[in-house]
Amino acid sequence: KAGVTQTPRYLIKTRGQQVTLSCSPISGHRSVSWYQQTPGQGLQFLFEYFSETQRNKGNFPGRFSGRQFSNSRSEMNVSTLELGDSALYLCASSFNQGAAGELFFGEGSRLTVL
Amino acid sequence: GENVEQHPSTLSVQEGDSAVIKCTYSDSASNYFPWYKQELGKRPQLIIDIRSNVGEKKDQRIAVTLNKTAKHFSLHITETQPEDSAVYFCAASVNTGGFKTIFGAGTRLFVKA
Repeated sequence: KAGVTQTPRYLIKTRGQQVTLSCSPISGHRSVSWYQQTPGQGLQFLFEYFSETQRNKGNFPGRFSGRQFSNSRSEMNVSTLELGDSALYLCASSFNQGAAGELFFGEGSRLTVL
Repeated sequence: GENVEQHPSTLSVQEGDSAVIKCTYSDSASNYFPWYKQELGKRPQLIIDIRSNVGEKKDQRIAVTLNKTAKHFSLHITETQPEDSAVYFCAASVNTGGFKTIFGAGTRLFVKA
C-alpha cells in the first residue's frame, strides 16, 4: 500500500507570493491533517479534513487555508507569504473513524520564503 | 485552547541507561495519547500509543504511563541503544466532532555509545 505522498518536496518563494501544497493520503484514509514544523516549535496543528469537510482548525491566520477533494486528496494554500512561514509542512492521513488513531505522515514540503 | 507541554527538551543518556520523557495536557476531554519518533530528515512515526481507559502499556523496551487525574503521561525507554537517538513527540488527541491531535514541542534524545 502506498504511503502518504506530498508534493512538491521543496520550494522557494518570495514574500507576498502564495503557495499551494498537495497531499495524497493512504488509500482508504479519509482524514487528512496538516502540520507546520519549525525548529523548537514542534508540530503545530493547522487543520483536519474528513470527507471534504474541515472539522478542526488550529490557531493560524486566515492566510492559511485548505481543502479536500472527493478522492480524499488535500491541498493547503498560504497566501501573502511572510518570512516566518518558512517551515516544513507535514500532511498526515488517518483512518480516524469512530476513534482517534495513528497518523501516517508524508515526507513533507519544505517551504523557504525569501 | 488545547496545549501539550513536554519535558525535557533535550536528554542525553549513556547506552544501556533508561530515558524518561514527560508530558502534560490541558484538555481533559483528550482520550488518545500517541508517541512519535522522528529521526533526522525523516517523517515522524508512531512508536506507541495509549487510550484513556488504560493506565500503562508496554512494548518491548518502551512503555507509556497515563495519569488522567493529573493529566500527565510519560514515555519510558529502557536499555537505550544508539539507534534510539532521535526527536520524540508526545501528543494528545481530542474528539471535537473531528479528531484534533496536538503535539508537544519534542525531546531530542542522544544516546552515547
